[in-house]
Amino acid sequence: DAKTTQPNSMESNEEEPVHLPCNHSTISGTDYIHWYRQLPSQGPEYVIHGLTSNVNNRMASLAIAEDRKSSTLILHRATLRDAAVYYCIRVNAGNMLTFGGGTRLMVKP
Amino acid sequence: DAGITQSPRHKVTETGTPVTLRCHQTENHRYMYWYRQDPGHGLRLIHYSYGVKDTDKGEVSDGYSVSRSKTEDFLLTLESATSSQTSVYFCAISEGQGGLTKNIQYFGAGTRLSVL
Repeated sequence: DAKTTQPNSMESNEEEPVHLPCNHSTISGTDYIHWYRQLPSQGPEYVIHGLTSNVNNRMASLAIAEDRKSSTLILHRATLRDAAVYYCIRVNAGNMLTFGGGTRLMVKP
Repeated sequence: DAGITQSPRHKVTETGTPVTLRCHQTENHRYMYWYRQDPGHGLRLIHYSYGVKDTDKGEVSDGYSVSRSKTEDFLLTLESATSSQTSVYFCAISEGQGGLTKNIQYFGAGTRLSVL
């Protein structure tokens, strides 16, 4: 039970922003939201994580809803190299990462 | 890139033979994990280790055993490989567990195993 819900797939045009949604309506107060992505034929890689506040790093931004029941991963300018499966995961102390199906992002030139 | 090496990267074997996959890290991280990934599925945890000689089962541990005799090495063994164990296997490492930055998992490049 991944405990998060994501769309199966999304499409974006190159150099446009992409908003990848994640629903985690049963999240507890101490659960972090982590995002990983998996490029074709590679292992997953960490993207970003947050608890309550919005977060930015060199790869992406994470916007967490005020009630924490949903979050959005934002890629500010999609490139062809961003085509991957993006996983939204709830993480708490002692929890393993539980990967759901993720969202397959396709980027069109 | 985190210093994680998986070997072999590709292996073809026959049903009933034993197979050992190796994960080697140079980061001195406490936790190590083995996952498998099959078409149409996300990654599923097989076993993990929280220290030398300390291991525990994951979601899909049947048919697999693990050993960790040194911090840097985590071995996954299929005692008698079956066709259902054909998969891509990923090793991961982390300093700890939980949502904090230091507990981010770093993954190896994977081992593609085919059991004929």
